[in-house]
Amino acid sequence: LAKTTQPISMDSYEGQEVNITCSHNNIATNDYITWYQQFPSQGPRFIIQGYKTKVTNEVASLFIPADRKSSTLSLPRVSLSDTAVYYCLSWGGSQGNLIFGKGTKLSVKP
Amino acid sequence: NAGVTQTPKFQVLKTGQSMTLQCAQDMNHNSMYWYRQDPGMGLRLIYYSASEGTTDKGEVPNGYNVSRLNKREFSLRLESAAPSQTSVYFCASSVGGGLLYEQYFGPGTRLTVT
Repeated sequence: LAKTTQPISMDSYEGQEVNITCSHNNIATNDYITWYQQFPSQGPRFIIQGYKTKVTNEVASLFIPADRKSSTLSLPRVSLSDTAVYYCLSWGGSQGNLIFGKGTKLSVKP
Repeated sequence: NAGVTQTPKFQVLKTGQSMTLQCAQDMNHNSMYWYRQDPGMGLRLIYYSASEGTTDKGEVPNGYNVSRLNKREFSLRLESAAPSQTSVYFCASSVGGGLLYEQYFGPGTRLTVT
């Protein structure tokens, strides 16, 4: 059963780059790594997904090393509106094994 | 294009009462999901439907039933509500199954069981 581990919380200041690392030691060969963002009182929203190396979109970058046992979500120049909970997921090979975990609560301060 | 809609937004039940949470999507997605989220916790998968006509149990299915009424609609039923089912319920949909496809979430239903 695939499981991810990430820090419970992180603090940052506006304008800084934030890196959130996720550990997924039991990742399977076919698993993808996906990150979601959740604001209070809202459903999660997809941010980025990758399999290996680096993926970048207009919101974030995702770095996955060669052994794929961890991944890092990078948010460039965060603002107050980036305060949210960020979830790292890896697919457990069966649709019933979608595990969100507790996520990382990011607090951005002025 | 409303995306994923859920009704009701809020509900208070007494222990033992039953109710159905409704979910609909207008994106022609094949897969639909029901999650619950307890305070300070992540989301836990209750049931999912990989395609119209199929449903399967997730991580926490006890006390719930689901119906995939058609491709658009996926309902969650609590037959005899218990205080432990107090939670926020999210419905989601995706083009296909697993994490390969982005999941789109509804706004949630806040359920309190007294």
